[in-house]
Amino acid sequence: AQSVTQLDSQVPVFEEAPVELRCNYSSSVSVYLFWYVQYPNQGLQLLLKYLSGSTLVKGINGFEAEFNKSQTSFHLRKPSVHISDTAEYFCAVSESRGTSYGKLTFGQGTILTVHP
Amino acid sequence: DTAVSQTPKYLVTQMGNDKSIKCEQNLGHDTMYWYKQDSKKFLKIMFSYNNKELIINETVPNRFSPKSPDKAHLNLHINSLELGDSAVYFCASRPTLAGAFYEQYFGPGTRLTVT
Repeated sequence: AQSVTQLDSQVPVFEEAPVELRCNYSSSVSVYLFWYVQYPNQGLQLLLKYLSGSTLVKGINGFEAEFNKSQTSFHLRKPSVHISDTAEYFCAVSESRGTSYGKLTFGQGTILTVHP
Repeated sequence: DTAVSQTPKYLVTQMGNDKSIKCEQNLGHDTMYWYKQDSKKFLKIMFSYNNKELIINETVPNRFSPKSPDKAHLNLHINSLELGDSAVYFCASRPTLAGAFYEQYFGPGTRLTVT
């Protein structure tokens, strides 16, 4: 069975500072990895995804993430955050084969708060 | 040109009632999902349908019954509502094409409050 752990429940940061949101996963097979963002009272929007190939993936709004297979991590980064980045961020994993293929398992979410 | 839509957006009802939430996607996807987001914002899959066939059925009380009349629609019917059913329910969809994997697209959510 797959699982996801987001290591920080809340991350406060000042505007224009860099940020990293941490995500670790567990799975017995190879995986696909995703970061979604949820703004208050809205649905989930895909930020970026890792399916295969380059381990550094770039997404929307200046975010990027690096897949590290040996550390089973997929941390999300942004070099300079804006007030508008304040939201909750979810890391998710889907196994690439087997009975859990296509099923997304989410982490607990990290609330990013950007202060002026 | 909404991709994944849900109705209603808000639903307030009393314990013991039966209610339905509807989901429609106009993306041409053939796999659809229901997720529940609880008060702590934890998201958990409930069901998945592929071309009207149930393929994922997590440990969900049988008071919850999904129905897919066609591959563009996946509705969720809940019988005998309980306080613990209060949550935000998200519908999602994705295409399933041989040799490729695609991300899920989420609807705006339906906030269900049971009083």
